[in-house]
Amino acid sequence: AQSVAQPEDQVNVAEGNPLTVKCTYSVSGNPYLFWYVQYPNRGLQFLLKYITGDNLVKGSYGFEAEFNKSQTSFHLKKPSALVSDSALYFCAVSPPFSGGYNKLIFGAGTRLAVHP
Amino acid sequence: DTGVSQNPRHKITKRGQNVTFRCDPISEHNRLYWYRQTLGQGPEFLTYFQNEAQLEKSRLLSDRFSAERPKGSFSTLEIQRTEQGDSAMYLCATQGSAYGYTFGSGTRLTVV
Repeated sequence: AQSVAQPEDQVNVAEGNPLTVKCTYSVSGNPYLFWYVQYPNRGLQFLLKYITGDNLVKGSYGFEAEFNKSQTSFHLKKPSALVSDSALYFCAVSPPFSGGYNKLIFGAGTRLAVHP
Repeated sequence: DTGVSQNPRHKITKRGQNVTFRCDPISEHNRLYWYRQTLGQGPEFLTYFQNEAQLEKSRLLSDRFSAERPKGSFSTLEIQRTEQGDSAMYLCATQGSAYGYTFGSGTRLTVV
């Protein structure tokens, strides 16, 4: 079965420090990987995706993520955190062999708290 | 507004009542997905449509749930005989290109 794991319920970081939100996946074949952010009582906003190519993907709001096939990981990173980055972050995978047209399978989410 | 619109934003209902939610997709997005998100969890897939055809349903979608997308435009999700366990955020997403999903703000259902 395909699944996504976000091992940390919450990540705390001081403003200006680098942040990492972890994600590992279990998918047969080559995965399509995504990161979304959710603010209170709002839908999901797209941050970035990995489809193929360069393992380091750059996305919105200064976020980036590194795809590591051997470790089956897709960790979200930002060099310098902002208080406004505080939100709920979701890693997701789309089953392969679908050409990008398929449902998303989400992790349970990680709450990021950036302190001034 | 060119985003995905969901109505209502909030719904409080008594156990046993029926509720219906609506999702208006981005124009010309032919794929539409419904997800359910409970507190502390990530969104879980419920069902999806390509145009008016419902192509996949999750086992989470019990007989009390039904979704439609007449004419391939807006979609409705109905829950009959609501139970307290149905309390959740119901999210709609549409897709107009490969890997390109756009989510609505969701409908939060509270069953009392």
